[in-house]
Amino acid sequence: GAVVSQHPSWVICKSGTSVKIECRSLDFQATTMFWYRQFPKQSLMLMATSNEGSKATYEQGVEKDKFLINHASLTLSTLTVTSAHPEDSSFYICSATRALYEQYFGPGTRLTVT
Amino acid sequence: DQQVKQNSPSLSVQEGRISILNCDYTNSMFDYFLWYKKYPAEGPTFLISISSIKDKNEDGRFTVFLNKSAKHLSLHIVPSQPGDSAVYFCAASASGTYKYIFGTGTRLKVLA
Repeated sequence: GAVVSQHPSWVICKSGTSVKIECRSLDFQATTMFWYRQFPKQSLMLMATSNEGSKATYEQGVEKDKFLINHASLTLSTLTVTSAHPEDSSFYICSATRALYEQYFGPGTRLTVT
Repeated sequence: DQQVKQNSPSLSVQEGRISILNCDYTNSMFDYFLWYKKYPAEGPTFLISISSIKDKNEDGRFTVFLNKSAKHLSLHIVPSQPGDSAVYFCAASASGTYKYIFGTGTRLKVLA
């Protein structure tokens, strides 16, 4: 149990376009999901906390208008990178909480903006 | 301000020996700690956790030690196996929150 999926696993897009990444908890309901970004050889950087049915809480320095997060149901959160630029190229990882202190990660999405 | 630090970016250990990965934190509000293992281009997978009410937690080959006064925790892997080669992240959380702060990671290489 406790499987989290992400789709797509890998995406290439042109500069100026938008890309949507989905995060799903497959076998449990997640009231809270998190979105992380990882640069090469660096730590996971928390971008935002997503709660079902409410607005996401963004970490300092993360542009909420650029990284749109929607948590439409207890099993689905989406991250949309709007007007993507090459510097947005990164590895994006989501996680879902089943209970306090139980956080499960998705496999990640590699975004390349050309 | 890096609240969770892993000062060793990499570590090499011979197969069968003990691997010790260290993690330091600065926020005294943190009371729950986890270790994750991560392979390239994959999401982290949970290894072991410890609450601040304990100073040790063991699960098979993995043991986590917590020294609250020093704000330090360590992960011991014994015996180390080549399949343990990965990047290990420690993460910390404050009471009542779901939010974790991750360390910078340590790349472990277990040599056969």
